[in-house]
Amino acid sequence: QSVLTQPPSVSAAPGQKVTISCSGSSSNIGNNYVSWYQQLPGTAPKLLIYENNKRPSWIPDRFSGSKSGTSATLGITGLQTGDEADYYCGTWDSSLSAEVFGGGTKVTVL
Amino acid sequence: QVQLVQSGAEVKQPGASVKVSCKASDYTFSTYGVSWVRQAPGQGLEWMGWISPKSGQTKSAQKFQGRVTMTSDTSRTTVYMELRSLTSDDTAVYYCARDYCDSARCFGGDFWGQGTLVTVSS
Repeated sequence: QSVLTQPPSVSAAPGQKVTISCSGSSSNIGNNYVSWYQQLPGTAPKLLIYENNKRPSWIPDRFSGSKSGTSATLGITGLQTGDEADYYCGTWDSSLSAEVFGGGTKVTVL
Repeated sequence: QVQLVQSGAEVKQPGASVKVSCKASDYTFSTYGVSWVRQAPGQGLEWMGWISPKSGQTKSAQKFQGRVTMTSDTSRTTVYMELRSLTSDDTAVYYCARDYCDSARCFGGDFWGQGTLVTVSS
C-alpha cells in the first residue's frame, strides 16, 4: 500500500490530453514539493517535473505539473505513442522522514 | 551530461549480503547526495535511504534501518549500498539517484543510474 494514491491506469487517443492525480496528506504533499517521474518499459525512472511544476530543460512543455493542498496532478498534452509508460509521483513525508511514492499510473495510448 | 553507472547484476542466497556501487561523473560529486530506490518485480518505487558524499551523513527509511549501510568514496566519486540478511522479498532492481537533501527533507532524484538487479534465491 503506497503512501500516495494514484489511479492504476489512464488512456487516451494520440494527440489527446491525459491527467494523472496524486493524493496525499498534510505530512507529505501538503507541506513538501512534488516530483513526477516517467518510467518507460525496462528502463530507469526519469525526472519529468520537480518542485510541483518545474520542468528540466530537456523535458517538452507537453508535460506539466500542479499542486493544490494535499493533491498534485501531472498533465500530458498532445499524447504520443512514445508516452506509453508508468508515471510516479514522489515527495518527502515529514512524519515518516522518508521519500514516498505513489503506486504508479500506466498510460496507454489507444 | 550527469551520469550514474551502477555495478552489474547479482545473485545471492538467503541470509547473504549484497553491495551495489554507483559511480558518478560530470558533476561536482560533493555538492549532491545520492538516494537509493528499489523496485520489486512488477511493483512500484521504494526509497531506501540517502547519503551525503561530502559529510558522510545518511538518512534511511525505518524499514531498512539496521540492515542497510551506505558509504561513499570521494576519490572514486562512487557511493555504495550494502544490504544484509537478504530474503526473497529483497529481489528487486536497485537504483541510485542524484538527490539533494537539507536538514529537514530530500527533494527527489534528478538523474538516475541504470539499475542493478539483485536476485535472492536458494
